[in-house]
Amino acid sequence: EADIYQTPRYLVIGTGKKITLECSQTMGHDKMYWYQQDPGMELHLIHYSYGVNSTEKGDLSSESTVSRIRTEHFPLTLESARPSHTSQYLCASRSGYNEQFFGPGTRLTVL
Amino acid sequence: GNSVTQMEGPVTLSEEAFLTINCTYTATGYPSLFWYVQYPGEGLQLLLKATKADDKGSNKGFEATYRKETTSFHLEKGSVQVSDSAVYFCALSDKDTGRRALTFGSGTRLQVQP
Repeated sequence: EADIYQTPRYLVIGTGKKITLECSQTMGHDKMYWYQQDPGMELHLIHYSYGVNSTEKGDLSSESTVSRIRTEHFPLTLESARPSHTSQYLCASRSGYNEQFFGPGTRLTVL
Repeated sequence: GNSVTQMEGPVTLSEEAFLTINCTYTATGYPSLFWYVQYPGEGLQLLLKATKADDKGSNKGFEATYRKETTSFHLEKGSVQVSDSAVYFCALSDKDTGRRALTFGSGTRLQVQP
């Protein structure tokens, strides 16, 4: 079944740790996105990718980085997590019909 | 730039009541419009969409009509159920930019009481 997956679903870590949030999709979509959802529910684009080896920063400045080595995989990395990074991170991919499909999200808490 | 404004919540209704969640937008060109729903602890699910003026999107009893003259895309349902309790997001996708990321409203929490 075509889908989009995110792991872990929940992560609690200490300040200064390096973390990678995984995102994979089995739909063959070229365009993928990372959104950050703050506790007030607002969603902001932090990264996007047109395809393999193509990544761009989004509208909201983020200290995270992304990579796109394979079409299906779009991981997000924080080199040194801080409490200000506490948020929910949502990964999405876009079909040719301009619909975005979202993963279940990773809820990150940095202590 | 693009923006989406939707009514603040929470919206609290009794089961079988009529639902309206207002959404207006500002965009260059003619964007595609979407409603997404987020259930507790989950990601966003596409509820319905409309890609051009006067299009009506519908799904699971929910409807929204793309009104270019009023730049609106209000969500409606004739009879809500307890299972409709969730957060609803209005969003637009600018067709004129290559990235076509979504610009979201701030979300409206709906609580339906039995």
